[in-house]
Amino acid sequence: DAGVTQSPTHLIKTRGQHVTLRCSPISGHKSVSWYQQVLGQGPQFIFQYYEKEERGRGNFPDRFSARQFPNYSSELNVNALLLGDSALYLCASSYGTGGIGYGYTFGSGTRLTVV
Amino acid sequence: AQSVSQHNHHVILSEAASLELGCNYSYGGTVNLFWYVQYPGQHLQLLLKYFSGDPLVKGIKGFEAEFIKSKFSFNLRKPSVQWSDTAEYFCAVNGVGGDKIIFGKGTRLHILP
Repeated sequence: DAGVTQSPTHLIKTRGQHVTLRCSPISGHKSVSWYQQVLGQGPQFIFQYYEKEERGRGNFPDRFSARQFPNYSSELNVNALLLGDSALYLCASSYGTGGIGYGYTFGSGTRLTVV
Repeated sequence: AQSVSQHNHHVILSEAASLELGCNYSYGGTVNLFWYVQYPGQHLQLLLKYFSGDPLVKGIKGFEAEFIKSKFSFNLRKPSVQWSDTAEYFCAVNGVGGDKIIFGKGTRLHILP
């Protein structure tokens, strides 16, 4: 079975630009979550989507948005990029949302560098 | 506020030494607990998880962790580390019914050959 796939793996953008990151969950998983990992820190929660609906949002500005498609893949969009948005963006896939026994599988991430 | 605290930011050990990484969490409810490992240049991988039942859980590569509910702790242990255990280790908590995993800041483990 394919794991969680993210694209692109690396990206360099200029301040003020827009970026779209993509994630395909494990087959059969209906939930996708996005995390931002800044160098030297643990991942920070951005969004969770389940059955195409937003189920949770972290403490990130409105420049960050996401959506989930009927095939359960997801996109994370970031507008008006700032230097501080440079980070590893991780996608996590799970069958459900926060129930007992639900584990999360992470993708390899997209390394975004804003210059 | 929900949070996870990892006691050590950077640990250096020699091969065959015993390892214990501390983790405490703050969460008002039933939790799922995780330890993830991130090897250099690789993605986050699940080492072990606790959902319910026996508070001593065994994971991959000889790691184990003990959930002590009264202390809100979930410490990671390994009796004898190897050079290949060099990595960053993250403790994480997810509230049952919640929407997110909360991660600690990580412990960077360096094993000397």
